[in-house]
Amino acid sequence: ETGVTQTPRHLVMGMTNKKSLKCEQHLGHNAMYWYKQSAKKPLELMFVYNFKEQTENNSVPSRFSPECPNSSHLFLHLHTLQPEDSALYLCASSQGVTSGQETQYFGPGTRLLVL
Amino acid sequence: QKEVEQNSGPLSVPEGAIASLNCTYSDRGSQSFFWYRQYSGKSPELIMSIYSNGDKEDGRFTAQLNKASQYVSLLIRDSQPSDSATYLCAVKYDTDKLIFGTGTRLQVFP
Repeated sequence: ETGVTQTPRHLVMGMTNKKSLKCEQHLGHNAMYWYKQSAKKPLELMFVYNFKEQTENNSVPSRFSPECPNSSHLFLHLHTLQPEDSALYLCASSQGVTSGQETQYFGPGTRLLVL
Repeated sequence: QKEVEQNSGPLSVPEGAIASLNCTYSDRGSQSFFWYRQYSGKSPELIMSIYSNGDKEDGRFTAQLNKASQYVSLLIRDSQPSDSATYLCAVKYDTDKLIFGTGTRLQVFP
């Protein structure tokens, strides 16, 4: 275990549903990330939070809404998703913006299926 | 457009052989490089990080970096069937962003 947990591990939702993904890190890190991993594609960075402040929104559609209430918790709120949004959603954390050598540690991911 | 390129494989090697995984990147200013291993259905786990030109060894794993050629590789000595996985190369640019390659699938057969 890396010290990063994600819930739920699996989620099936309809296109009109609203759901949230949760990530929690127990490493004392200050930066948290959301990634999307689709089949045959590289990991795509979605959002970055440093010290609870969003520092990156990688042109993500507004149907994905992140929330970072503190340095240990990160949420991804989902609404009116499309079937092409079905993927593995990974949360990661790192110590934060210092020397540029920080390693990112990944949670187990949430496997999302949109019907 | 910053890119990280990997051969998708599969790379098949016999048990006990050396597996050589390669990665090239486009951003000449990149300073930090990472290799992650991802088993099917699991999340990526860090194997090695490398920041300076040359070789870095950790057990059966050796990472090699050549910034002039914008090339980073991972060697796995004495490959085991349990090493069968997808290996992701990641390159850090700016201070907090990683760009990942699509990964190379390694198969180690007995």
